Amino acid sequence: DQQVKQNSPSLSVQEGRISILNCDYTNSMFDYFLWYKKYPAEGPTFLISISSIKDKNEDGRFTVFLNKSAKHLSLHIVPSQPGDSAVYFCAAFGGNTGNQFYFGTGTSLTVIP
Amino acid sequence: EPEVTQTPSHQVTQMGQEVILRCVPISNHLYFYWYRQILGQKVEFLVSFYNNEISEKSEIFDDQFSVERPDGSNFTLKIRSTKLEDSAMYFCASYRDRYSPLHFGNGTRLTVT
Repeated sequence: DQQVKQNSPSLSVQEGRISILNCDYTNSMFDYFLWYKKYPAEGPTFLISISSIKDKNEDGRFTVFLNKSAKHLSLHIVPSQPGDSAVYFCAAFGGNTGNQFYFGTGTSLTVIP
Repeated sequence: EPEVTQTPSHQVTQMGQEVILRCVPISNHLYFYWYRQILGQKVEFLVSFYNNEISEKSEIFDDQFSVERPDGSNFTLKIRSTKLEDSAMYFCASYRDRYSPLHFGNGTRLTVT
């Protein structure tokens, strides 16, 4: 039961341009969403989150957008840097789902110098 | 910045042996998790733990698995009789309260031979 989906397994972007990573969810009870970045052989690192009462949250080069009606969120990275090359996971939490975080399958971002 | 610490970073064991993976969550966190990631696959939820008991567990978390918080700081995952398919990265995670980010350790790579 894949409640959180990342339909793009990979994305390549030129350095300095915008990276847009997408995530869709099916459970309308989710009310807290997170993005994580993961390098090989390391644990996921928390990047940014958003609660369902907002539609945008910004932290430096990272902005998360939430479209509740479409059950869609996206992560924008501007400008993209080679060090951003990693796997990005979105996660969802809340409502009637207890204490479990639901993760997408990840998008591998490559930023080309 | 406080972080989740996992030991060992790599554990090699023979099939049928018991292993204990150790974690020290962030000190003021109240919710604790184990996830695993088989090479090339998604991050899978195993179990969540709150108030000294399991709050949720997945189908993966069968009778071979157990978790314990033996003292105020450690959180352990035990696999009683390891199978080849238990080979994976195991991540411990914790968070403070609902709607705060989940923080991950760097993982233990378990190799069952």
